[in-house]
Amino acid sequence: ETGVTQTPRHLVMGMTNKKSLKCEQHLGHNAMYWYKQSAKKPLELMFVYSLEERVENNSVPSRFSPECPNSSHLFLHLHTLQPEDSALYLCASSQEGLAGRETQYFGPGTRLLVL
Amino acid sequence: AQKITQTQPGMFVQEKEAVTLDCTYDTSDPSYGLFWYKQPSSGEMIFLIYQGSYDQQNATEGRYSLNFQKARKSANLVISASQLGDSAMYFCAMKDTGRRALTFGSGTRLQVQP
Repeated sequence: ETGVTQTPRHLVMGMTNKKSLKCEQHLGHNAMYWYKQSAKKPLELMFVYSLEERVENNSVPSRFSPECPNSSHLFLHLHTLQPEDSALYLCASSQEGLAGRETQYFGPGTRLLVL
Repeated sequence: AQKITQTQPGMFVQEKEAVTLDCTYDTSDPSYGLFWYKQPSSGEMIFLIYQGSYDQQNATEGRYSLNFQKARKSANLVISASQLGDSAMYFCAMKDTGRRALTFGSGTRLQVQP
C-alpha cells in the first residue's frame, strides 16, 4: 500500500461548486499537512494537524476548510474558490517527536483547476 | 525567518555522469534539518535524503549524497551516475527543530541526456 494516497488526482470545478480533497496515510504517523504548490512559487504550507488537532494555519482563506477525523485521514473542503486557487495540492504526513528529524512524506497531489 | 535559495533553475547532465545541485539556507536557529525532495512530472514529492545540523558526517543514500558545509550554510545534493529516470524537479527544504513547517526553495529542473 502506497504510504500517502490522495483522491482525486485531478479536479476541475466552477467557482460556485463545493468539493473535497481526501488524503490517507498508511505510515502510522501522528501529523498531517496540506501544502499548496502554485506555478512558479515555492510550496506553501496551508494547515498542520498533530494528533488530529489543528496546530498551525498559515492565514489561509476561509474558502479552504480542513478536517482531520483521525490520524490517518485528512480532508480539504473547498467552496467558492477563485481561479487563482488553481494549483497542485499536496498532502504529507510525519511522525512528530523525533527531535527535528521528522521527515515529511508526500502524496501524489491533486491538480485543481478552478474555472 | 528561514530561507532556502536554489540558484540553478535548470541543469543538464549526461547519463552516467555526476551532477551537483546547489542549495544555500538561512536560519537563526542552531538546530535544524535539511531535506532534498524529487518531484517528477507526475507531481509526487519524493523524499531523497536528510541532514541534521549536528550530524558530523555528510548524509548518503545510495546514489545521493549531501555536501553539507555548515559554515557556508550550504547543503548541495550530489547525484552520482545519473540515470534518465533522474530527470525531474529537485527541491531543497529545511525545518527548524520545534517547527512543523518545511520551507522549500524554488527548485532546480534536472534533465539527464542520453
